Formats: sequence, structure tokens, C-alpha cells
Amino acid sequence: AQSVTQLDSQVPVFEEAPVELRCNYSSSVSVYLFWYVQYPNQGLQLLLKYLSGSTLVKGINGFEAEFNKSQTSFHLRKPSVHISDTAEYFCAVSSMDSSYKLIFGSGTRLLVRP
Amino acid sequence: SAVISQKPSRDICQRGTSLTIQCQVDSQVTMMFWYRQQPGQSLTLIATANQGSEATYESGFVIDKFPISRPNLTFSTLTVSNMSPEDSSIYLCSVEDRDSDYEQYFGPGTRLTVT
Repeated sequence: AQSVTQLDSQVPVFEEAPVELRCNYSSSVSVYLFWYVQYPNQGLQLLLKYLSGSTLVKGINGFEAEFNKSQTSFHLRKPSVHISDTAEYFCAVSSMDSSYKLIFGSGTRLLVRP
Repeated sequence: SAVISQKPSRDICQRGTSLTIQCQVDSQVTMMFWYRQQPGQSLTLIATANQGSEATYESGFVIDKFPISRPNLTFSTLTVSNMSPEDSSIYLCSVEDRDSDYEQYFGPGTRLTVT
């Protein structure tokens, strides 16, 4: 069975500063990895995904993530955040073994301050 | 990408009543999912709904409490039965697009408050 751990429940950061949101997963088989963003009172939007190939994945809104198999991590990064990036960010994993059902982490609230 | 709408967007219901949430997709999809997001929590999968078969429920969720219908490839409903305040949550449906490498698209959610 897969599981996802997001180590930080909240990350405060100043505008234009870099940010990293951490995600670690546990699985005995190959996985697909996703980052979703949820803006206040909205549904989830896919930021980026890793299926195979290059371990550095670029997504929308300037975000990127790096898959590290040895450390079972998939941390999300952005070199310079904006106020509008304030939202809840969810890391998720799926695999063939779970019929591709998404297993979500507990979420990290990114709070960007001016 | 699939566009998903949900009705109602929010509702306030009394204890003991039931609410049916509708999920409409703008294209035909095989797999639809229903999630619950309790206040301040992450998403938990309730069930997977495939057209033409019974929904598959996750551990901790039962059909009597959360009956699901999937009459065609673009529509599904989730009913929250005999509600209690503990059912206050956001309920989201999602669809899987296997043509987009298993990406799931989410609806805007239904915010349910049970008093």
C-alpha cells in the first residue's frame, strides 16, 4: 500500500522568496506522483506530474518538482513566489497496484506575505 | 481536459436528512471518483464509480450511507444519507483521463454543512 507524507502543515514565506514544499512517499512498486493546488473555495488543479523519464518535472505557474527515488521524495519548488500562490498544496501518489487511485498527503498551506 | 460541474455548490442540511450531489462531465469518461474533504483535512476517497457496474467503496465507507449512481459515461450522483454533523465536509468528484496519462480532473466541490 502507498502512503504520502507532507512534512510541513504550513509554510510562511515572503513574496519573491524561493519556496520548497516537501513530500515523501512510501511504496513497494513504481508510482506516479502528482502535485495539486487548491485555492480558497475552489476544487483541485493539477500543478505537475511525474510518470517516468526525466526526474525534474516542470509544471504550471513556475513550479517544478524533482523525483528522487533513493530518498522517495517529490519536493515542490518555486524560485520566486507571488501573493497569488497562497493556497493549499497536496502531494499525491498512484500506482498500478492500487488501480491508479490517488492517495493524498495531508496538505501544506503556503502563505505568501508581502 | 475534462470540465466538471457539481450541483449544489453548497448546502446546509438538517440532521437525519439526505442530500444528493450531482457531478456532470463535458466528455465521456470511464472512471469517476468521489472524495470527501473534512474541514482542514486532506482528501479521502469514498468510492470509484464505473458506468454499468456497482461502485467500489473504500474502507470505512458503505453503500447504505453513500449510495452512488452512474447511469452513463458523463454523469454520477452521490447521496449522503441520514446526515449527522460529522458529515459536514466538501465532497468532490473527479474523473480520470487515461488519454492524459492518468491525470485526474476535479470538480469544484460541494460544501455541505449539517446542523
